[in-house]
Amino acid sequence: GAVVSQHPSRVICKSGTSVKIECRSLDFQATTMFWYRQFPKQSLMLMATSNEGSKATYEQGVEKDKFLINHASLTLSTLTVTSAHPEDSSFYICSARDRQISNQPQHFGDGTRLSIL
Amino acid sequence: GDSVTQMEGPVTLSEEAFLTINCTYTATGYPSLFWYVQYPGEGLQLLLKATKADDKGSNKGFEATYRKETTSFHLEKGSVQVSDSAVYFCALPYNQGGKLIFGQGTELSVKP
Repeated sequence: GAVVSQHPSRVICKSGTSVKIECRSLDFQATTMFWYRQFPKQSLMLMATSNEGSKATYEQGVEKDKFLINHASLTLSTLTVTSAHPEDSSFYICSARDRQISNQPQHFGDGTRLSIL
Repeated sequence: GDSVTQMEGPVTLSEEAFLTINCTYTATGYPSLFWYVQYPGEGLQLLLKATKADDKGSNKGFEATYRKETTSFHLEKGSVQVSDSAVYFCALPYNQGGKLIFGQGTELSVKP
């Protein structure tokens, strides 16, 4: 089945560091990828929609200069948390849809646990 | 607007008990419906789906039937196992771009 690989799975770093998270679709092409944030015991909050070859679409309230998204190819999207601070600590999850199949559900990565000290 | 409502958790069951997690939705038209499962510390996995009214999705002993009359997509399993302990999310797409609306998630804890 479809596989989405997310890397790294866990990051611990100092405040002020920028952190890049990669999301790859391994066996299908994904025109669109999605980035979510999840707080403990809560549902997923969509941050942005990443479109291959164009600018990402951010949800209301999400700072695009803080969370930089690049979707340079049909199999890779990256999320960079710039100048991260403790309040950015969270579980970040990406997902992707197969462009060849309509009405296809999203396939999710295993998430990245980001901890800012 | 479109929305998904799940029963609140946590749900605690003994092994081999019957499971029902309720999910109701409001939507324009008849979108596909999904159940995702999230095991501790992991991302989401698609558990099952239904693409039209009266469809029954099934996987790993779990079932859910798309009922347009009651706008529901309840998740059921006849005999749960400890390994089923996870958070379950009901979801539906809300635009052609593929965005998903998630329910708030229901945590299931199965005790031996």
